[in-house]
Amino acid sequence: DADVTQTPRNRITKTGKRIMLECSQTKGHDRMYWYRQDPGLGLRLIYYSFDVKDINKGEISDGYSVSRQAQAKFSLSLESAIPNQTALYFCATSDPGTSYEQYFGPGTRLTVT
Amino acid sequence: RKEVEQDPGPFNVPEGATVAFNCTYSNSASQSFFWYRQDCRKEPKLLMSVYSSGNEDGRFTAQLNRASQYISLLIRDSKLSDSATYLCVVSPLFSGGYNKLIFGAGTRLAVHP
Repeated sequence: DADVTQTPRNRITKTGKRIMLECSQTKGHDRMYWYRQDPGLGLRLIYYSFDVKDINKGEISDGYSVSRQAQAKFSLSLESAIPNQTALYFCATSDPGTSYEQYFGPGTRLTVT
Repeated sequence: RKEVEQDPGPFNVPEGATVAFNCTYSNSASQSFFWYRQDCRKEPKLLMSVYSSGNEDGRFTAQLNRASQYISLLIRDSKLSDSATYLCVVSPLFSGGYNKLIFGAGTRLAVHP
């Protein structure tokens, strides 16, 4: 079984809809991250969390919110989806001692029409 | 200007060829450097760290030039399985308890028979 899983893997939604992307991990890591990837751009950090009570904004948090329900679960929400949020979304985890090595989930391809 | 810049490619090379990618970064205070590999429609995975003295892992050699602010990755004896996108990753000076990773957009390599 994969160490970091994401659901759904693909989603098409309409402008204005609320959508939640979920991430679960079995690696036992405290740190979790949400990124988006767009063609021609590097992965960009949306939010990150060091533990259940510690959530921080990344470089592009506007239009997104997160919830860390447990050490193993980190959800990303788009409160009112817009077309420029169409992207590939990755969840990742890391161990505090080696936070440069991040373990990514398989990604969620989101299309907002 | 992007913080991490890479030639997007694609680099089309025959099996057995040697190929090199460069990456430049803009923040001279950057402390740590890495190469990640991303297969088509898959998640990124850490390939190797890049040390000031350079490092080698089998057919892969990574070099860092701090004075010129560039990082290189050399792949010798290319295999079909090396076909992927290679992401240059830079981490600025450790702050706030978090080793932030800044990803380049990637260089695509296609190895053909």
